[in-house]
Amino acid sequence: NAGVTQTPKFRVLKTGQSMTLLCAQDMNHEYMYWYRQDPGMGLRLIHYSVGEGTTAKGEVPDGYNVSRLKKQNFLLGLESAAPSQTSVYFCASSPRGQAGQPQHFGDGTRLSIL
Amino acid sequence: RKEVEQDPGPFNVPEGATVAFNCTYSNSASQSFFWYRQDCRKEPKLLMSVYSSGNEDGRFTAQLNRASQYISLLIRDSKLSDSATYLCVVNQRAAGNKLTFGGGTRVLVKP
Repeated sequence: NAGVTQTPKFRVLKTGQSMTLLCAQDMNHEYMYWYRQDPGMGLRLIHYSVGEGTTAKGEVPDGYNVSRLKKQNFLLGLESAAPSQTSVYFCASSPRGQAGQPQHFGDGTRLSIL
Repeated sequence: RKEVEQDPGPFNVPEGATVAFNCTYSNSASQSFFWYRQDCRKEPKLLMSVYSSGNEDGRFTAQLNRASQYISLLIRDSKLSDSATYLCVVNQRAAGNKLTFGGGTRVLVKP
């Protein structure tokens, strides 16, 4: 089982460049999430989606955009990368249902902005 | 005040010993609770859910104290492979099954 797959695994960008991170899940989950993790900060929610065609802001959405055109894919875009966006990005998914469903994570994208 | 707070550690534990640590949460409306494990530079993985009556999974025991708003994790007979960061995770009664993560407690098991 692939589960949650993130691409790319690593990327180095220059300030001002743009890029898109792709998250794909094969578990037919309704909910998908993008987090960033910085040293000493824990995971912080950037954006999330409760279904195809819907997205919502999380805790730290500024500088990022997302799209969920297909149920299995959730894209995270950086329009103009800044050094403050250097981080490890994790995608996760969970089934819809009663609150309390655990989330399943991809293995992360390490992004450096120079 | 952070919504979910953990002692960052590290907790240095001799192999075979027992270690326990807590996590406090600020939102009394929190509904569900989990412990995740994260190895260095890896993704978080679900260790166990935490139920109101407390629950055990092998060498791991989780407890929930709603009155004092904390959950705990106890690891018995620690193994070298238990070395990791343990993330306390809380789910509020909100749309989208959003989770709030603590900063993690680092555990180092040494021979």
